[in-house]
Amino acid sequence: RKEVEQDPGPFNVPEGATVAFNCTYSNSASQSFFWYRQDCRKEPKLLMSVYSSGNEDGRFTAQLNRASQYISLLIRDSKLSDSATYLCVVTRAFNTGNQFYFGTGTSLTVIP
Amino acid sequence: NAGVTQTPKFRILKIGQSMTLQCTQDMNHNYMYWYRQDPGMGLKLIYYSVGAGITDKGEVPNGYNVSRSTTEDFPLRLELAAPSQTSVYFCASQKQGREKLFFGSGTQLSVL
Repeated sequence: RKEVEQDPGPFNVPEGATVAFNCTYSNSASQSFFWYRQDCRKEPKLLMSVYSSGNEDGRFTAQLNRASQYISLLIRDSKLSDSATYLCVVTRAFNTGNQFYFGTGTSLTVIP
Repeated sequence: NAGVTQTPKFRILKIGQSMTLQCTQDMNHNYMYWYRQDPGMGLKLIYYSVGAGITDKGEVPNGYNVSRSTTEDFPLRLELAAPSQTSVYFCASQKQGREKLFFGSGTQLSVL
């Protein structure tokens, strides 16, 4: 079973729409959770960390449900510039450091 | 601010050739990572290092070698290039466990 699973999409939404992405992780020992954004042929960049209490950054809201091992990202009032692939990332600690596990990403295209 | 610098950005190799992908960071980060990303797939960890002189295998280490003689540099060596190593390679660094990853801009490698 994959460490992190995401719906690959693609999601094609009109400008101004609200869109939600979901992610599940398989290991209950996972410690930290992130959403990264990746533009075509570019490096991933941190969008936001995800906390158990839920957190918001402008139009973006992230939620974590540890009991269900489920992470979500909500984007409100979508902009054309939001078009990208969104990667769900979880980490686990090992003796020699932290390991990051990346989902395959969810593709979003915002249409004018 | 340079951050994480990778060279080269693009490279074409013939089967059996060798090359080194360079990665350097100027943030005094202890942790450094090499990932590969195949089309439509998540990032897979090749090797990582938790400090100078310490390296360890990730999920897909076969066909690669690394060294970490200084805190700043973490080169990835391909000894006998194979078509299966055609991919985009990302180097990343992290100050310490649980903190976000900083990525280099990637190296697109084709083995023909």
